[in-house]
Amino acid sequence: DTGVSQDPRHKITKRGQNVTFRCDPISEHNRLYWYRQTLGQGPEFLTYFQNEAQLEKSRLLSDRFSAERPKGSFSTLEIQRTEQGDSAMYLCASSPGTANTEAFFGQGTRLTVV
Amino acid sequence: GENVEQHPSTLSVQEGDSAVIKCTYSDSASNYFPWYKQELGKRPQLIIDIRSNVGEKKDQRIAVTLNKTAKHFSLHITETQPEDSAVYFCAASIGNGGATNKLIFGTGTLLAVQP
Repeated sequence: DTGVSQDPRHKITKRGQNVTFRCDPISEHNRLYWYRQTLGQGPEFLTYFQNEAQLEKSRLLSDRFSAERPKGSFSTLEIQRTEQGDSAMYLCASSPGTANTEAFFGQGTRLTVV
Repeated sequence: GENVEQHPSTLSVQEGDSAVIKCTYSDSASNYFPWYKQELGKRPQLIIDIRSNVGEKKDQRIAVTLNKTAKHFSLHITETQPEDSAVYFCAASIGNGGATNKLIFGTGTLLAVQP
């Protein structure tokens, strides 16, 4: 599969634990996005990378959230001190560098905080 | 701030009928409007998109219309089939060389096509 891949697909964690998710975008795509989707809602933008630079962060992204894309390829999203409200599907998407082009989504990581 | 409203939230049609989903966006600078289909437990997948320099686009049974003045855009599916059943999301973004191109999504429409 040459699409966007995310790992793990599912994560169950206890409240207060830290979790880290990984996203591998389509190889030639330099734009990478993280979104969060809760049940019955559309995906909500969290953060954006162009190559290795994190250029925008949503106010939804509290201090407990951090994202990296160290070499401009894969990205990680870490949530520290997880809370039950963090339970959601975390989606990664990538697109080419040109404007107004399709964003390709990964399968997502479903996080459940118990 | 940026906002996209989507209606209806659920839509049930008989197989062969048409389905229409409508969205309204708030940011007049938006110039790219994709529609995504998401089946249960799967990733959102692009089914059609339209840019602000075009008023209508069609791809087989799917069409999208855009009214920039009213800031409305709509998805039309004709001759619906059971496999069209899914959640459909509209989105809007501001696309230019320096922009994030982040997508602002609507809340989704659950389409059920009854055989």
